[in-house]
Amino acid sequence: EVRVLESGGDLAQPGGSLRLSCAASGFTFTHHAMSWVRQASGKGLEWVSAISGGGGSTYYADSVKGRFTISRDNAKSTLYLQMNSLRAEDTAVYYCAKDLQMSYPGVAFDYWGQGTLVTVSS
Amino acid sequence: QSVLTQPPSASGTPGQRVTISCSGSSSNIGSNPLNWYHQLPGTAPKLLIYSNNQRPSGVPDRFSGSKSGTSASLAISGLQSEDEADYYCAAWDDSLNGWVFGGGTKLTVL
Repeated sequence: EVRVLESGGDLAQPGGSLRLSCAASGFTFTHHAMSWVRQASGKGLEWVSAISGGGGSTYYADSVKGRFTISRDNAKSTLYLQMNSLRAEDTAVYYCAKDLQMSYPGVAFDYWGQGTLVTVSS
Repeated sequence: QSVLTQPPSASGTPGQRVTISCSGSSSNIGSNPLNWYHQLPGTAPKLLIYSNNQRPSGVPDRFSGSKSGTSASLAISGLQSEDEADYYCAAWDDSLNGWVFGGGTKLTVL
């Protein structure tokens, strides 16, 4: 059974940092690109970042470019999102999503985690 | 303001057929496949349609997708109460070099 489980969400101060993790199981992790998608309370979905299966290609939304870094450890089947210089507008539930294929541009997100809440507030 | 445009709401009665539209541009829908996701209240999104009109295993054939030019639509036939959810379209955008989503359509089953 495919599973993706996010962790690391917390309360952070503006300007602070957090690292999110996403533990994957039930599929060959290196064969699939992965993404982070966020959703502010009562709002729609916003794609944040993506990484190819091998980790050699990364992509970012303009809203987080230069502040967030996506990475993956294929030996541990784990996806990460390092979030620096956090802003109030980064407050959201962050979902980890598996892509149907390895390379980018991807095809679609066929499995999503349950999300982890990031709150940026003083 | 979302890159892809969806109506904020849609509604229908049980058994009816409803459609939800999604409009974009040449850099996203016009040149890349379109996907649909639905999200029940308090849960994570789920893939409903991918590559314009493909259903993942387990998705009933009551759900169908189509695309023409820079627009796409999701059709739900035989509407059921459990279809009440938020529906999002999404596509890769070649200009932004990233995924773009529609603002979402809240479907109400009357």
